[in-house]
Amino acid sequence: AQSVTQLDSHVSVSEGTPVLLRCNYSSSYSPSLFWYVQHPNKGLQLLLKYTSAATLVKGINGFEAEFKKSETSFHLTKPSAHMSDAAEYFCVVSDQGSQGNLIFGKGTKLSVKP
Amino acid sequence: KAGVTQTPRYLIKTRGQQVTLSCSPISGHRSVSWYQQTPGQGLQFLFEYFSETQRNKGNFPGRFSGRQFSNSRSEMNVSTLELGDSALYLCASSPRQGSAPTYGYTFGSGTRLTVV
Repeated sequence: AQSVTQLDSHVSVSEGTPVLLRCNYSSSYSPSLFWYVQHPNKGLQLLLKYTSAATLVKGINGFEAEFKKSETSFHLTKPSAHMSDAAEYFCVVSDQGSQGNLIFGKGTKLSVKP
Repeated sequence: KAGVTQTPRYLIKTRGQQVTLSCSPISGHRSVSWYQQTPGQGLQFLFEYFSETQRNKGNFPGRFSGRQFSNSRSEMNVSTLELGDSALYLCASSPRQGSAPTYGYTFGSGTRLTVV
């Protein structure tokens, strides 16, 4: 069965410092992986996606993620945090086993200190 | 290009009542999926509709149902509401059934349902 584990429920960084949000997945197939962001009282916005092309994926707002099959990881990074990055981030897997539907991690809340 | 539109944004209902939520997908998108988001369970898949037919269903009781119209708009219904049904209900659209692995989904802002 597919699953996603976000290793930190809460990450706090200072503005201007790097961001690392960690995600491990389990999949019996070739997975598609996504990161979504949710700002308070808002829906989910797609940050980036991996669909078996380049393993380093660049997304919006300076975020990127690297697919590492040997480590079953898909960590999200950003070189320099901005106050507007404060939100909840979800790592998501989708594959044939889930019939294309999205399996969400529990989320990581990112706080950015001035 | 308009995004995914969900109405209403907020809803308060009493236990035992029923509720209907509405979702209009992005123009041209024919697949609509529904997700429930709660603090305890996180985001969970409810069901997916494509061409007016339910194609896939999550692990929710029969009180949760939905339908899709010929214009791809979808409604979700919850009957005999329970306190535990209080949640943010998110609708997501995709060009076609099972295309989430390629395209991901575009989500609406959700309907916040509170059951008292």
